[in-house]
Amino acid sequence: DAGVTQSPTHLIKTRGQHVTLRCSPISGHKSVSWYQQVLGQGPQFIFQYYEKEERGRGNFPDRFSARQFPNYSSELNVNALLLGDSALYLCASSLSGPSGTQYFGPGTRLLVL
Amino acid sequence: AQSVTQLDSHVSVSEGTPVLLRCNYSSSYSPSLFWYVQHPNKGLQLLLKYTSAATLVKGINGFEAEFKKSETSFHLTKPSAHMSDAAEYFCVSSNTGNQFYFGTGTSLTVIP
Repeated sequence: DAGVTQSPTHLIKTRGQHVTLRCSPISGHKSVSWYQQVLGQGPQFIFQYYEKEERGRGNFPDRFSARQFPNYSSELNVNALLLGDSALYLCASSLSGPSGTQYFGPGTRLLVL
Repeated sequence: AQSVTQLDSHVSVSEGTPVLLRCNYSSSYSPSLFWYVQHPNKGLQLLLKYTSAATLVKGINGFEAEFKKSETSFHLTKPSAHMSDAAEYFCVSSNTGNQFYFGTGTSLTVIP
């Protein structure tokens, strides 16, 4: 079975632009979470979606938004990009709901210039 | 608030010697605890998890961790380090809600 997939793998944007990152969970998984991992740090929780509803939000500004589609794939949107948004964005899916074991995708590396 | 503290940012061991990566958690109740490994340019991989069953948890690649409530610790160990174990290791806690809390990571170097 395929694992969690994310696209694109790498992305370069300039300040003020917006970006959309995509994630496909493992087949059968209904929960998707998004994390931001700045170089040299541990991942920070951004959002969690379960059954297409937002179930959790981390301490990120409103420039960050997400949604989950009927097929359980998800998008993370970031508006008005700042240099500090440069990071590896990780998507994770879980089978047994929000508190289940999470399986991570390879991430999307975003560079904001 | 819930969090985990990884006590060492860097650990170096010689190949064939034991590995100890330390993690303390803070929570008002027993959380679910995990160890993940991240190899360079690869995704996070689950090593093991504790979910209030046995306090000694065995994971993949010979790793294990012991949950000690009295010490609020969940240290990761391996009897004999291999070169392929060199990576970044994250201790993670999860409450019954919907968030995973990552530690700051421990970089493991294995010296040949």
